[in-house]
Amino acid sequence: GDSVTQMEGPVTLSEEAFLTINCTYTATGYPSLFWYVQYPGEGLQLLLKATKADDKGSNKGFEATYRKETTSFHLEKGSVQVSDSAVYFCAPPFTAGNMLTFGGGTRLMVKP
Amino acid sequence: DAGVIQSPRHEVTEMGQEVTLRCKPISGHNSLFWYRQTMMRGLELLIYFNNNVPIDDSGMPEDRFSAKMPNASFSTLKIQPSEPRDSAVYFCASSAPSGGLDEQFFGPGTRLTVL
Repeated sequence: GDSVTQMEGPVTLSEEAFLTINCTYTATGYPSLFWYVQYPGEGLQLLLKATKADDKGSNKGFEATYRKETTSFHLEKGSVQVSDSAVYFCAPPFTAGNMLTFGGGTRLMVKP
Repeated sequence: DAGVIQSPRHEVTEMGQEVTLRCKPISGHNSLFWYRQTMMRGLELLIYFNNNVPIDDSGMPEDRFSAKMPNASFSTLKIQPSEPRDSAVYFCASSAPSGGLDEQFFGPGTRLTVL
């Protein structure tokens, strides 16, 4: 069935390093794509979203572009901070009949 | 606006006991989801409600798990009897109807420990 695949972690970076977390999907096309972030001890929260192909979502210095030609929605940030340490989840919108699970996400650890 | 509210935040119980987790979705949202998160399995979707009706419970691990949504502002997830392997963080999430474009809003979770 349709699925989203993201790179396994943990990803360990030094502060101010460049971040890329890969996410690819297999469906012919989703109406939108999301990146969620989970900080320690909290629930998931939306980080950014793209609502159509070639759309770029951005928030808190993070960006991701919904690229149909490469079926990707990679998350990037030019300069990470210690406070960005969290687990990141790439996900399509929920649709009935596709009991999507978020999986394990990608854990990012940023060291000072 | 209040977000998704879950209670209790922490629950410690002994094997064999009944556990009830509670969720209040965001007002106006018509979809509600129960998830379980563990280190081994990540974040798994257990059951999904739409307009208070359970649509798909294929993620519920066993008959010991049951979920209800008696009205638009309240849902419960019950485990009876509980077992140590049920220890996990349980999240409730809700979303508004918008043709598949909307995000899910997650509660803070209930950390369940079954001894």
